[in-house]
Amino acid sequence: KQEVTQIPAALSVPEGENLVLNCSFTDSAIYNLQWFRQDPGKGLTSLLLIQSSQREQTSGRLNASLDKSSGRSTLYIAASQPGDSATYLCAVVMNYGGSQGNLIFGKGTKLSVKP
Amino acid sequence: DVKVTQSSRYLVKRTGEKVFLECVQDMDHENMFWYRQDPGLGLRLIYFSYDVKMKEKGDIPEGYSVSREKKERFSLILESASTNQTSMYLCASSFWEGDEQFFGPGTRLTVL
Repeated sequence: KQEVTQIPAALSVPEGENLVLNCSFTDSAIYNLQWFRQDPGKGLTSLLLIQSSQREQTSGRLNASLDKSSGRSTLYIAASQPGDSATYLCAVVMNYGGSQGNLIFGKGTKLSVKP
Repeated sequence: DVKVTQSSRYLVKRTGEKVFLECVQDMDHENMFWYRQDPGLGLRLIYFSYDVKMKEKGDIPEGYSVSREKKERFSLILESASTNQTSMYLCASSFWEGDEQFFGPGTRLTVL
């Protein structure tokens, strides 16, 4: 059974710092991996989607990489800002017949960026 | 932009009541999903639907049912609400299986 892990569970950094959030998964037979942001009490906002054939995706100050063989993904945030404070979740869709297309989530990393 | 809306942001119900949570998407997506999110347990799939009138159980379907009479609307039904169904409920949709999923704002349900 696929397990998705995000370490650390919480992270506090000063404004302006570049940072990396980690995501690991136990079964490399994934179809894609998606990073989300969740603000307190709110829904999920999709940040980046990486297909299994891709190595990385970029959007603005965000860069996500995928190493399927080692079961790891990282989300790089450049020049962090207080507005980046949120919980970041990674999730995978499995790549085999009968996959429901549903996301399997990690428990998230709660990021706090201090002014 | 894709828009997924949920009928209520906050809902308070009593044990034993029948509860309907509605989700609507405006992008003609084939797939729709219902997840619940609990502290320490993360997000878990309750049900999903890949077409009108089609549904499949997820990881935790007990105590829930769903309805998809129109492509844009996916309803989650708690037949007889219980306190252990107090949770944040999130609806999502995607164009096809494995495509990017878009989430609604969530419904915070409290069952007293």
